[in-house]
Amino acid sequence: EAQVTQNPRYLITVTGKKLTVTCSQNMNHEYMSWYRQDPGLGLRQIYYSMNVEVTDKGDVPEGYKVSRKEKRNFPLILESPSPNQTSLYFCASSLTPGWSYEQYFGPGTRLTVT
Amino acid sequence: QQPVQSPQAVILREGEDAVINCSSSKALYSVHWYRQKHGEAPVFLMILLKGGEQKGHEKISASFNEKKQQSSLYLTASQLSYSGTYFCGTEMGSGGSNYKLTFGKGTLLTVNP
Repeated sequence: EAQVTQNPRYLITVTGKKLTVTCSQNMNHEYMSWYRQDPGLGLRQIYYSMNVEVTDKGDVPEGYKVSRKEKRNFPLILESPSPNQTSLYFCASSLTPGWSYEQYFGPGTRLTVT
Repeated sequence: QQPVQSPQAVILREGEDAVINCSSSKALYSVHWYRQKHGEAPVFLMILLKGGEQKGHEKISASFNEKKQQSSLYLTASQLSYSGTYFCGTEMGSGGSNYKLTFGKGTLLTVNP
């Protein structure tokens, strides 16, 4: 089944404790992206990757890191999480960087930082 | 720059029509529409590209007015399954793709029996 998977789905952590949220797609997509969703703010792009080894900042990259060493994986890293990073996170992928293709979203990861 | 969606929320009875608008202050290259049901991931509806035609998806269609930098989503004869939050995503640029998609804050659509 074609899909985008994220792990973990739920995570409660403490301020400053490094964490990684994994994202993997099995559709051979070139483009991958991370979004955070907060009530009343919609979806905001954190980082995106047009292909392996090429990443760029979205609208809200502060406090986050990403890496794209393999085509299928695009992990999101929070080196020192803070409470304002409590949010619902979505990973998404699309066939190519060109915008004529839809994005497929993962199921989401709900992160709480205390 | 985040596009502005209106209305923020709308309540319909089954069978009624609705229009959701998405506008930007800058030139747009493309507009994307997604629907998100409560507790689920956003799901793609359609993409409208600069210079493209109005698109349709069963009873859901959309238009893209490049001169006004706005798009409208039309839901005709709404069904209970249309309930959810609708997001527009915009890509800036008068030229080609810049690969960055900025979403609006969403429009909550509720369809009642």
